Amino acid sequence: AQSVTQLDSHVSVSEGTPVLLRCNYSSSYSPSLFWYVQHPNKGLQLLLKYTSAATLVKGINGFEAEFKKSETSFHLTKPSAHMSDAAEYFCVVSVLSGNTGKLIFGQGTTLQVKP
Amino acid sequence: DVKVTQSSRYLVKRTGEKVFLECVQDMDHENMFWYRQDPGLGLRLIYFSYDVKMKEKGDIPEGYSVSREKKERFSLILESASTNQTSMYLCASSSHRGLVSPLHFGNGTRLTVT
Repeated sequence: AQSVTQLDSHVSVSEGTPVLLRCNYSSSYSPSLFWYVQHPNKGLQLLLKYTSAATLVKGINGFEAEFKKSETSFHLTKPSAHMSDAAEYFCVVSVLSGNTGKLIFGQGTTLQVKP
Repeated sequence: DVKVTQSSRYLVKRTGEKVFLECVQDMDHENMFWYRQDPGLGLRLIYFSYDVKMKEKGDIPEGYSVSREKKERFSLILESASTNQTSMYLCASSSHRGLVSPLHFGNGTRLTVT
């Protein structure tokens, strides 16, 4: 069965320092993986996606993620945090349900950015 | 840009009421989804639809039903609202079947059942 686990429910960093949000997945086949961000009182926005091309994926707002099959991980990073990065982040794996892809969401990681 | 619009931002309903949550997308997407979001649980799929008049149960369909009479509109129905259905409800759409279609989300409806 496919699943996704976000290893930290809450991460706190100082502005200007690196961000690391950790995600492990379980999939019986080569997965499609996504990171979404949700700012307060907003819907979710796609940050980036991995679809079996390059293992290092670049997204919006300076974020990137690296697919590591040997570690079944898809961690999200950013070299320097900005105050506007404070939000909730979701790691997501795509699975087939019949002929339709559906997404399984991790529990979410809240990123706090301190001045 | 794709726009997914949920008709209500906040709703307060009483136990036992029938509740309709409406969602409209403007990009001719085939797939539409309803999720609920609860703290610590992430998003859980209630129902989805890949075509007009088609629906599939998600992971937590109990207590809910859906309607998709037109391609652009996907309604979530709580037949008899209960307090454990107090939650944030998110509608989403995607462009085609398959594993790699990203979802486009509405801003959510926060439902409180008293």
